[in-house]
This record gives sequence, structure tokens and C-alpha cells, in this order.
Amino acid sequence: NAGVTQTPKFQVLKTGQSMTLQCAQDMNHEYMSWYRQDPGMGLRLIHYSVGAGITDQGEVPNGYNVSRSTTEDFPLRLLSAAPSQTSVYFCASSYQGQGSSYNSPLHFGNGTRLTVT
Amino acid sequence: DAKTTQPNSMESNEEEPVHLPCNHSTISGTDYIHWYRQLPSQGPEYVIHGLTSNVNNRMASLAIAEDRKSSTLILHRATLRDAAVYYCILRPNNDMRFGAGTRLTVKP
Repeated sequence: NAGVTQTPKFQVLKTGQSMTLQCAQDMNHEYMSWYRQDPGMGLRLIHYSVGAGITDQGEVPNGYNVSRSTTEDFPLRLLSAAPSQTSVYFCASSYQGQGSSYNSPLHFGNGTRLTVT
Repeated sequence: DAKTTQPNSMESNEEEPVHLPCNHSTISGTDYIHWYRQLPSQGPEYVIHGLTSNVNNRMASLAIAEDRKSSTLILHRATLRDAAVYYCILRPNNDMRFGAGTRLTVKP
């Protein structure tokens, strides 16, 4: 198993450009999520999904779009990049069963470091 | 939203036990307590989780207070590789939010 794979590892954008951060997992996890981590800070939840076709907002969703067309993939789209979106982005996934699903640990990717100039 | 409070930083000597505290006074009966750690320049990794009873695994132990309003992550013998930021979070639902965590420094 490759686990959670994020691409690219590094990206530099100019203000106003758009791009998509890719996240794929091969563990058949229903739950997937995106976090951003600013220097010296904790992680903040952007969006999450509990299955194909289902997405929801986290605490900092503005400026980001997501979709979940397959179980494996959960791309994060920046519509018009701004310097405030300079951050490290982490994707995570876990099982999403019924009842005891909340004891399923999150598996994280290695992150995408994004710089917006 | 259920929240957690952790000290910003802690220090330990190598090969000594480390007790990392976490307060979660607003925890509800169905919230699971999860611990993750983040090594430098890496994504967070799962450490341990529990609901009511104390838990042990190969990485650490989790001691949960009887009223569940606090918990302690125990590293039995700290090594230099345990230097990381440790996050205590509650998983009440799918909206999992991390705080700033505790930065653990291990001195040789």
C-alpha cells in the first residue's frame, strides 16, 4: 500500500493563478480531508468528505473547492491564489464505518508546500 | 465544538519517561480521544486513541481520567526520535480540528 499520496510536493504560484492539489489513497477509506498548516501553527481543517459525492466545509473553506467523484481521490482546488494561501497542505483519510467510526485513526500524506507570490 | 488544551512546550531527558497532558473539559460521552505527533517536515502520524479505559500500544500509553476531562500521553522512555509536536484531539464527528499541540524537546 502506498497510503496517502499527495502531489506535487512543492508549488509556486503567482497571485490570481489557479491550481489543483492532488490527493489519492489506496486503502479504500471513505473519509478524506484537507488541512493547511501555516508556519509554527497547528492544522486547520479546510474541507472533508465522507464518501464519493459528499463533501462538507471545515473551519477555513473560503478560497478552496473540493469534489469527490471516486473513493480514491479528493482534489483541492485553489480558484484564484492569494499570498494568504501560502502554507503546507496535508491530506488525510480514514475508515468511515457506522457506530464506532470515530475510533478510526487518520492517515496523513507528506504534504504539499505552496508558495503564492 | 469540543476543544482541547495542551501546554505549548515540554522538555525531557533522553531515556526518561514523558507525561504529556491534555485537558478536554467539554468532552461528551461519545467523543474519542486521539493523539497524533508530527515530526519535523513530515505529516502528522497516529499515536494512540481511547474512549474510557487506559490504552497501551508499541508507541505509547494513554491514561484517561475517570471523569474523562483530561488525559495523559505517556512515552515510557523518550528517545531523540520522539522530539515532535504532539496533538491531542477529540473525534466527536467528522469535523476533526487540531490545536497548536505540545512541542516536545528531548535532551541527550
